[in-house]
Amino acid sequence: DADVTQTPRNRITKTGKRIMLECSQTKGHDRMYWYRQDPGLGLRLIYYSFDVKDINKGEISDGYSVSRQAQAKFSLSLESAIPNQTALYFCATSSGTRVAGELFFGEGSRLTVL
Amino acid sequence: DQQVKQNSPSLSVQEGRISILNCDYTNSMFDYFLWYKKYPAEGPTFLISISSIKDKNEDGRFTVFLNKSAKHLSLHIVPSQPGDSAVYFCAASAGGNTGKLIFGQGTTLQVKP
Repeated sequence: DADVTQTPRNRITKTGKRIMLECSQTKGHDRMYWYRQDPGLGLRLIYYSFDVKDINKGEISDGYSVSRQAQAKFSLSLESAIPNQTALYFCATSSGTRVAGELFFGEGSRLTVL
Repeated sequence: DQQVKQNSPSLSVQEGRISILNCDYTNSMFDYFLWYKKYPAEGPTFLISISSIKDKNEDGRFTVFLNKSAKHLSLHIVPSQPGDSAVYFCAASAGGNTGKLIFGQGTTLQVKP
């Protein structure tokens, strides 16, 4: 089983719909992240959380919200999806104590907004 | 404005030869640099990193070189193997171990048998 699990893996939705992407981890890490990948742009940080009561905006947080329900769970919501939020979304975790910047990524959630 | 750039979208090399992937950055506050490898339908996986106080870090077939004056880093893979065929992302961070990474666009490496 994957250490970082994302659901759903693929989702097609319509403009204006609310979408939630979920992430759970068994690595026991306190730190969790949501990144977005777009062709030609690499990955960009949306939100991150260093523990259950900590939520921080990343580089591109507009149009997104997150919830850290437990140490192992971090969900990303699009309140009203729009086509330019079509992308591949990755959840990641970090121990914060090993190699600086070493993140453990899930397999990704491909979201298409029509 | 992209702070981390990988100007070569793709690279093709023969098995057994050296692969050199390049990355340029603009922010002098970056203190850690990393390379991630990504196979299709999988998440990126950490490959190797280097601190800004060093100019070289080696791990088996993988070596990362950092030229701070040129704001340039490179990943050398020697010898290249077909299993190395993947997308390689350069990433950088500033201000310690936060996990807040700035990624380059990625370079697709194809190693031909």
